[in-house]
Amino acid sequence: AQTVTQSQPEMSVQEAETVTLSCTYDTSESDYYLFWYKQPPSRQMILVIRQEAYKQQNATENRFSVNFQKAAKSFSLKISDSQLGDAAMYFCASSEGYGQNFVFGPGTRLSVLP
Amino acid sequence: EAGVAQSPRYKIIEKRQSVAFWCNPISGHATLYWYQQILGQGPKLLIQFQNNGVVDDSQLPKDRFSAERLKGVDSTLKIQPAKLEDSAVYLCASSRGTGTGRTEAFFGQGTRLTVV
Repeated sequence: AQTVTQSQPEMSVQEAETVTLSCTYDTSESDYYLFWYKQPPSRQMILVIRQEAYKQQNATENRFSVNFQKAAKSFSLKISDSQLGDAAMYFCASSEGYGQNFVFGPGTRLSVLP
Repeated sequence: EAGVAQSPRYKIIEKRQSVAFWCNPISGHATLYWYQQILGQGPKLLIQFQNNGVVDDSQLPKDRFSAERLKGVDSTLKIQPAKLEDSAVYLCASSRGTGTGRTEAFFGQGTRLTVV
């Protein structure tokens, strides 16, 4: 069974600074996907970034990038030039197998300080 | 394209009452998920459909929860009778779910259920 762990319940960052959110996972599959989702107070989960396990290159989406360490089963999210709108809950998730079940971590609450 | 639609947004019921939630996934998405998100926690899968068949309902409390996806499109999740511990946000999500590529799940805005 796949598991996802996020060890930082809360983080804060100064506006325009950089912050890194941590995530570790465990899976028995060799083919899987990893995701970071953002959940603002409106509750709607929004995909931030996705990483295919077979790709060695770290995914990047504008100010968001990941550090994917496959051997260590680590998948951290870096947010550069933080903006007030980045404040939200961030969930790390994994998906494995044909069934595509998405398993989520407990989340990290990010605050952005002006 | 239109997103995942859920209704209602909020629901307050007394314990032992019944409640139903509705979800309309993104058009063409074969896979539909219902997640339960208790305050301060990550979403937990309740049930996953592939078209109108159940793929995984191992974490669905079947003595009180039921779900169906008629015609492989819309889905309803029902709780009967509700308990205080069912207070949570119920999220519906959908994904393409077919082929070798695995895509992300798209989520609705959720229904916040309060059981008093």
